[in-house]
Amino acid sequence: EPEVTQTPSHQVTQMGQEVILRCVPISNHLYFYWYRQILGQKVEFLVSFYNNEISEKSEIFDDQFSVERPDGSNFTLKIRSTKLEDSAMYFCASSEGTGGAGGYTFGSGTRLTVV
Amino acid sequence: QKEVEQNSGPLSVPEGAIASLNCTYSDRGSQSFFWYRQYSGKSPELIMSIYSNGDKEDGRFTAQLNKASQYVSLLIRDSQPSDSATYLCAVQRARQLTFGSGTQLTVLP
Repeated sequence: EPEVTQTPSHQVTQMGQEVILRCVPISNHLYFYWYRQILGQKVEFLVSFYNNEISEKSEIFDDQFSVERPDGSNFTLKIRSTKLEDSAMYFCASSEGTGGAGGYTFGSGTRLTVV
Repeated sequence: QKEVEQNSGPLSVPEGAIASLNCTYSDRGSQSFFWYRQYSGKSPELIMSIYSNGDKEDGRFTAQLNKASQYVSLLIRDSQPSDSATYLCAVQRARQLTFGSGTQLTVLP
């Protein structure tokens, strides 16, 4: 079964450093997303991406965050100048359409710890 | 403010019983509705999707949607210990999902 692949699985970074989280969406999917889940809290939407541009973003997704599709397969989330409160599990997801019968397929996540 | 509410549980049922999970949502413009299962430390895994009022069955799972009442439910028949997990209700509007906080289900052998 097709998978969304995320790397790394764990990342520890010092406060103020930049991190890049990487994702390879399912190959025939057109819509890409980032969500995050702070330990013990809800899964929260960050951003959706289609046709090489952001289509929606949440209040969480401020100037500290950026996304990019640098080539035909990768989708990245960059966090500039990380803060302690950025510590969370970050999930990449993709979908063939805007939800549809197949829903959204989530990757296994990157656990980001900011120290 | 879009809200998705679930009973946090924990909900315990004996093996073989029916587990009933409920969810309400506030945004009447919501278009699609999903149930995800999440094991501790893992990513959400899609169980069911439903788009129109009524019931949708898939194996041991039945999703029910009532848009007038802004209510979604999930029934798990013949519950198994392997069904023990947190079940997340998610509601879609445009291109984003809003998740509930999840209901923790334990199926006792």
